[in-house]
Amino acid sequence: DTGVSQDPRHKITKRGQNVTFRCDPISEHNRLYWYRQTLGQGPEFLTYFQNEAQLEKSRLLSDRFSAERPKGSFSTLEIQRTEQGDSAMYLCASSFLPGQAFRGTGELFFGEGSRLTVL
Amino acid sequence: GNSVTQMEGPVTLSEEAFLTINCTYTATGYPSLFWYVQYPGEGLQLLLKATKADDKGSNKGFEATYRKETTSFHLEKGSVQVSDSAVYFCALSRGSTLGRLYFGRGTQLTVWP
Repeated sequence: DTGVSQDPRHKITKRGQNVTFRCDPISEHNRLYWYRQTLGQGPEFLTYFQNEAQLEKSRLLSDRFSAERPKGSFSTLEIQRTEQGDSAMYLCASSFLPGQAFRGTGELFFGEGSRLTVL
Repeated sequence: GNSVTQMEGPVTLSEEAFLTINCTYTATGYPSLFWYVQYPGEGLQLLLKATKADDKGSNKGFEATYRKETTSFHLEKGSVQVSDSAVYFCALSRGSTLGRLYFGRGTQLTVWP
C-alpha cells in the first residue's frame, strides 16, 4: 500500500518532554500538510509544505512546534516542552499540485494520524 | 473569516432511511466545498466535492449541491446502509490557499440494520 503513513500511531509522554512525529506522504505528491484534531472537533490546519519549502503556518503553531521536510519527501513535526493542551490527534495529508495551479481542487490524502497523550 | 458549521450529531438511522447532514459556510469569494468521511479506524478520505456555485458533487450514492445563495452544501443520501456508519466532515478551501481546508466539527452517523 502506498498511502500516507504516520509514525508513531500512539505516543504517551509526560508534560515537558519533547516528541517527534513522522509522516511519509504518497511518493509522487509534492504537497504535505499537518493538521491537529481534538476530540469532538474537526481537523485544524497547522502548516503545509510544497516540496521542501514551508509555505504557510497557522497561528496555532506556537514556538514550541516545528515542522520540517528536508528533502521534499517525508516530514517531521516536533513539539518541544509538551503541555497537556497538546494532547490531540496529529494528522498528516499529502496532495499533488500540478504545475499550473487550479482553485482548491487538489484532493488531500490523509494518514491515520498520530495520537498524542500528554500526562 | 472562513468557517464551516455542521449540524450536530450523532445521527442514528435505520438502514434504507434518507440522510441529510446540513452544512453551511462562511467565506469570502468563491470557495471550493468538500465532504470528507472517516470510517472507524481509518484516515479521512474525500467523499465528494464541488468547486463552483450550483455544482453537484456525488459519490457512492451521496450527493451535495453547492448553493451560493444559502451558503450551504448539505449532504444527502436516499437510502443509507450499515456500511455508511462513519464521521462526516464538511470542509472548504479558499482559492488563495490551495489545499488548506477549513473543517466543520464532524457529524457521527450510525446506521442500524
